[in-house]
Amino acid sequence: AQTVTQSQPEMSVQEAETVTLSCTYDTSESDYYLFWYKQPPSRQMILVIRQEAYKQQNATENRFSVNFQKAAKSFSLKISDSQLGDAAMYFCAYRSATGANSKLTFGKGITLSVRP
Amino acid sequence: DSGVTQTPKHLITATGQRVTLRCSPRSGDLSVYWYQQSLDQGLQFLIQYYNGEERAKGNILERFSAQQFPDLHSELNLSSLELGDSALYFCASSPRGGVGGEQYFGPGTRLTVT
Repeated sequence: AQTVTQSQPEMSVQEAETVTLSCTYDTSESDYYLFWYKQPPSRQMILVIRQEAYKQQNATENRFSVNFQKAAKSFSLKISDSQLGDAAMYFCAYRSATGANSKLTFGKGITLSVRP
Repeated sequence: DSGVTQTPKHLITATGQRVTLRCSPRSGDLSVYWYQQSLDQGLQFLIQYYNGEERAKGNILERFSAQQFPDLHSELNLSSLELGDSALYFCASSPRGGVGGEQYFGPGTRLTVT
């Protein structure tokens, strides 16, 4: 079974600075997807970024980028130029690319606070 | 707005009761997933439907059941409710079988069992 670990329960960043959120995962599969979801106080789950395991290039979406290290099974999220609206809980998630079960397996999440 | 709708937003009920949560996926999405978010267990996958058929089951209790209708909306039925069932229940949808990988989440239904 696949597992996702987010070992830092909380992090804090100064507005306009850069922060990196860590995630590791365990799988025996070679083809999969990794995601970061944001959950603000409204509790809505918002997709931030997606990475396909077969792609060596790290995904980027505006101020958000990932550092995907397949061999190390590491998938960190970098938020540049942090904004007050980035304050939220962030979840790392894994999804197999093969088989009938395409469920998401989530880590426990990390609470990010942004200091003005 | 993800395009996935869930009703009701909040539900308060007593132990032993039965409730139904409803989800409408994004237009054109055939797959619907149900997740439970609680303080104890985090975000957990419950069940997946694809075009009306059950596709996969996760940590879903026998007291819980779901179905997907011909118009692709889905319902999650929770019965003999216990205090521990209090949680945020999310529905998510994805195109076809999940090609592309991403799932889009609805706003959730917050269930409180008293």
